[in-house]
Amino acid sequence: DGGITQSPKYLFRKEGQNVTLSCEQNLNHDAMYWYRQDPGQGLRLIYYSQIVNDFQKGDIAEGYSVSREKKESFPLTVTSAQKNPTAFYLCASGLAGVTGELFFGEGSRLTVL
Amino acid sequence: KQEVTQIPAALSVPEGENLVLNCSFTDSAIYNLQWFRQDPGKGLTSLLLIQSSQREQTSGRLNASLDKSSGRSTLYIAASQPGDSATYLCAVSLDGSARQLTFGSGTQLTVLP
Repeated sequence: DGGITQSPKYLFRKEGQNVTLSCEQNLNHDAMYWYRQDPGQGLRLIYYSQIVNDFQKGDIAEGYSVSREKKESFPLTVTSAQKNPTAFYLCASGLAGVTGELFFGEGSRLTVL
Repeated sequence: KQEVTQIPAALSVPEGENLVLNCSFTDSAIYNLQWFRQDPGKGLTSLLLIQSSQREQTSGRLNASLDKSSGRSTLYIAASQPGDSATYLCAVSLDGSARQLTFGSGTQLTVLP
């Protein structure tokens, strides 16, 4: 089945540790996105990529890093520089530059202990 | 900067009732508006996409309207069912691309059996 797979679903991290969230899609979409969702707030864009080997910062990129070595994969690393990393992280994909739907993964919930 | 507001934050209705969810945005120069559904702990599912030139879109029991000049959209749900219980988010795009999406914080709907 076509879709977006995020892993892990739940992740606990100690302060000072980097963690990487996985996002894989088999929808053949060029564009992929990472969002952060906090309770009672809308989604905020962290990073996005329109094509392989290229990515751009979103509104809240500080403390995060990404890579786009394959079309299907867009992993997000939450670094120790992110001051408040506990949140729900959502990955999405869509057709680059075309108005249309976004398809979302099931999300990853990161908790910093 | 575009701001999207959804009021109320939460709504409970008895099964079978028709209901309206509201979304307002501050910059009327939008390209399109989307309504999403989010189940607890899950990703978002696109429900309806309205282009700026359109007044409304319909899908089954859902009808979304757009009044660009007043900066408002409504999502009408007919004959509500317990399975409609979820958080509904709206998002606007200034240029049609997902990288320019601004999300509201959502309305949490509970349909009581």
